[in-house]
This record gives sequence, C-alpha cells and structure tokens, in this order.
Amino acid sequence: GAGVSQSPSNKVTEKGKDVELRCDPISGHTALYWYRQSLGQGLEFLIYFQGNSAPDKSGLPSDRFSAERTGGSVSTLTIQRTQQEDSAVYLCASSSGLGRSYEQYFGPGTRLTVT
Amino acid sequence: AQSVAQPEDQVNVAEGNPLTVKCTYSVSGNPYLFWYVQYPNRGLQFLLKYITGDNLVKGSYGFEAEFNKSQTSFHLKKPSALVSDSALYFCAVRDITGGGNKLTFGTGTQLKVEL
Repeated sequence: GAGVSQSPSNKVTEKGKDVELRCDPISGHTALYWYRQSLGQGLEFLIYFQGNSAPDKSGLPSDRFSAERTGGSVSTLTIQRTQQEDSAVYLCASSSGLGRSYEQYFGPGTRLTVT
Repeated sequence: AQSVAQPEDQVNVAEGNPLTVKCTYSVSGNPYLFWYVQYPNRGLQFLLKYITGDNLVKGSYGFEAEFNKSQTSFHLKKPSALVSDSALYFCAVRDITGGGNKLTFGTGTQLKVEL
C-alpha cells in the first residue's frame, strides 16, 4: 500500500519567510510524528499527534514552529520567520497506534534550505 | 530520559563477511528498541524491533538483532553482508517520558560493505 508522503521534497526559502511542510500519513494510522534531521543535531523529535488527544509539542525548538493535523489525517508543519539554523531535513512518520505496533513508518522527508 | 548510544561512527566490512552494528541503551522500565536504515536522500526504513519475548529478533533483508539485558545492548547483525547493505543505520528507543510517545535515536552508524 501507499506509504507516508511528504511535500515538497525540497524547499529553498529566504531568511524571514514562512514555510509550510505537508505530510500524508499511511491510511488508517492514528499516530503522526514530525522529526528533524540535521548534521549537527542528528534526529530530533518535534511533535506527536495521537487521534483526538492534545499533541505532544515538547520537541518544538521555538514558538516559530507549529503544526496541525486536520481531520485526523494530513498534517502541516509551519515554520514562521525562518532562520538559517532551521535548514534541515524534516521527516514525518506515522504508526497504527494499535496494540504493540510501536514502529513508525517514515516519509522521504522535506529538505529545507534557508538562504 | 531514555537514550541509546551507537559507539561507532563507521563500520567497514567485506562482502560475504558477518557484520555487527553496535547499540547500547539506557532506559527506566522495559525497553522498546528499534533499528532503522537510511539510504542516501531517503527516509528511514524500519528493520526490526524488540518489545518482549525472544532475545533474538529477526527483521527485514536478513538482518537480526540480539537483545542482551545484562549488557544493555541491542546489536544489529547479519551473517553475510552485501554491498547493497551500505547505508546509515540508526538504533532507537521508544520514549514515553511525560506521557508522550516518540523515538529517541542514536547518532547513527555508517556501514560500508566493500567487495
């Protein structure tokens, strides 16, 4: 079946601009995660959505970062007033949220470059 | 907090030889452990997990991992390496600190399989 999809695959933006990154999870998966992968910081957790529960935002690095998940499916990660240190690959993942299926399935990522 | 450590930045092995990629963990409670592989410019692919049960876990592409509670290790192994196994490998642990549900990753190990 279809995996996790993300768009765009690449995004180049100027410092100070806002960007939106989109994630389509695997159909039926109730849990959705955003991570960031950068050379200096490795893989970092950003935010986690589970069903209708309040999201776990504990990994968001600043208030310039926000995310929403509409209708329990598609998610958008928004970065306002981008800075050069925001340059990274943003990865989305989903999991079924059922039983002991704790493994997460990742999308191909969005490479963000802030110039 | 839960954490994993990958002590080797790079592992080199000849094709046909057995390979081991090391991972140690530090958790409170029962560890839920995972291995992922990342090919260039791709997202992370799930290989295998340990939740409970047999200490030897079998996964995709002929990989397996051995859970060792006394040594707090979860090393990834393959009996006979292929050049196509060359990739970046991440060990991860499920972290439910604060009621969340995320993966905390190691720093990654670059595996290079040579002819």
